[in-house]
Amino acid sequence: EVVLTQSPGTLSLSPGERAALSCRASEGVSSVYLAWYQQKPGQAPRLLIHGASIRATGIPDRFSGSGSGTDFILTISRLEPEDFAVYYCQQYGSSPFSFGQGTKLEIK
Amino acid sequence: EVQLVESGGGLVKPGESLRLSCAASGFTFSSYSMNWVRQAPGKGLEWVSSISSTSYYIYYADSVKGRFTISRDNAKNSLFLQVSSLRAEDTAVYYCARAEKIVPPATDAFDIWGQGTMVTVSS
Repeated sequence: EVVLTQSPGTLSLSPGERAALSCRASEGVSSVYLAWYQQKPGQAPRLLIHGASIRATGIPDRFSGSGSGTDFILTISRLEPEDFAVYYCQQYGSSPFSFGQGTKLEIK
Repeated sequence: EVQLVESGGGLVKPGESLRLSCAASGFTFSSYSMNWVRQAPGKGLEWVSSISSTSYYIYYADSVKGRFTISRDNAKNSLFLQVSSLRAEDTAVYYCARAEKIVPPATDAFDIWGQGTMVTVSS
């Protein structure tokens, strides 16, 4: 079973700043099978990135994903007010299709 | 508009059962694999179960194996989760989510999500 560990647990930044969120896997994950989701309070998750670096339809280009093997990064280049939310990584290469515990991005 | 709408949640006692439903619209339901993901109050996302487009491949999380059963009716564009022997720790919002396909051992990212249905297990 692949365990995903996200860090930091909470990230406090200001609008306009750059955010880097980490997702570390307990064993190697093919980059083809790594996704990032955004969830705002009271809403369902939204797919941001799949295949580690491919933006989903309609996702702004300030969101980018990178990484391979056991270390993956979600970068938000210039934070907008609507980007403050909880972010989850997920591996879908083998069952159980596990999620990380989430990183809360909050306004400083 | 592509849409998933869950229903069937509610308040039940430990040991009881429920059948959750997810109605799909705006896409060719029979061409996609489907999934259930849950989120306990104030907690993170937990993958629960996945089913391929033809129901040939089915996967469960260990935490629900033997108690939950996923199924689908492609003629009615519907996904189901029969949840039995419920425990307090099953209390969560249950989301259905779409993925393009299952090619074992992998699936695809979950690109469309419903708004969820709440299941509360309490005596």
